[in-house]
Amino acid sequence: DSGVTQTPKHLITATGQRVTLRCSPRSGDLSVYWYQQSLDQGLQFLIQYYNGEERAKGNILERFSAQQFPDLHSELNLSSLELGDSALYFCASNLAGGANYGYTFGSGTRLTVV
Amino acid sequence: AQKVTQAQTEISVVEKEDVTLDCVYETRDTTYYLFWYKQPPSGELVFLIRRNSFDEQNEISGRYSWNFQKSTSSFNFTITASQVVDSAVYFCALSEVTGTASKLTFGTGTRLQVTL
Repeated sequence: DSGVTQTPKHLITATGQRVTLRCSPRSGDLSVYWYQQSLDQGLQFLIQYYNGEERAKGNILERFSAQQFPDLHSELNLSSLELGDSALYFCASNLAGGANYGYTFGSGTRLTVV
Repeated sequence: AQKVTQAQTEISVVEKEDVTLDCVYETRDTTYYLFWYKQPPSGELVFLIRRNSFDEQNEISGRYSWNFQKSTSSFNFTITASQVVDSAVYFCALSEVTGTASKLTFGTGTRLQVTL
């Protein structure tokens, strides 16, 4: 157990729907990251939050949004889902945002869009 | 822009063979971090090593060793006496240091298959 908790582990939904993925960071960590792993794009950075504020943004689609709450958990919202959104979504956390702290990954949420 | 290249898509070895996974990176930063992660068939990402750009000392951890060479922008990973449990996809990644903002840029991964 890495200490980073992601729920749900698996999600199957239909095209056009909206889903929310949840991440609880490791105890004490202030920063949360979201990554998408798909067969065609590989592992791609989506977005980073630090203590509730957005800090860095990657190639995140406009249909996707995220936030970090005061208790530091984070949610990734995916809307108007398409077949191509099927992927493994990882959350990672670290103490204070910098690479020097390393990154601890959760076990991921596997999203299947049918 | 940062880039990580893992040219080896898939490697197959027989147990007890040594195997080296290559990683070449590109960055304009003078301060950066390099990482290796393992992704077993179960899917999670397991941290193996972090190395900063100022530390070119090679590292050995059990059967694992890493060779960091700034001159060639490479951070190669060697498994000595491979075992079936080493079968996984291995990712090399790069992260720049910009205060509280950071992200990992991953390579495309190398799938290692170790057979008996």
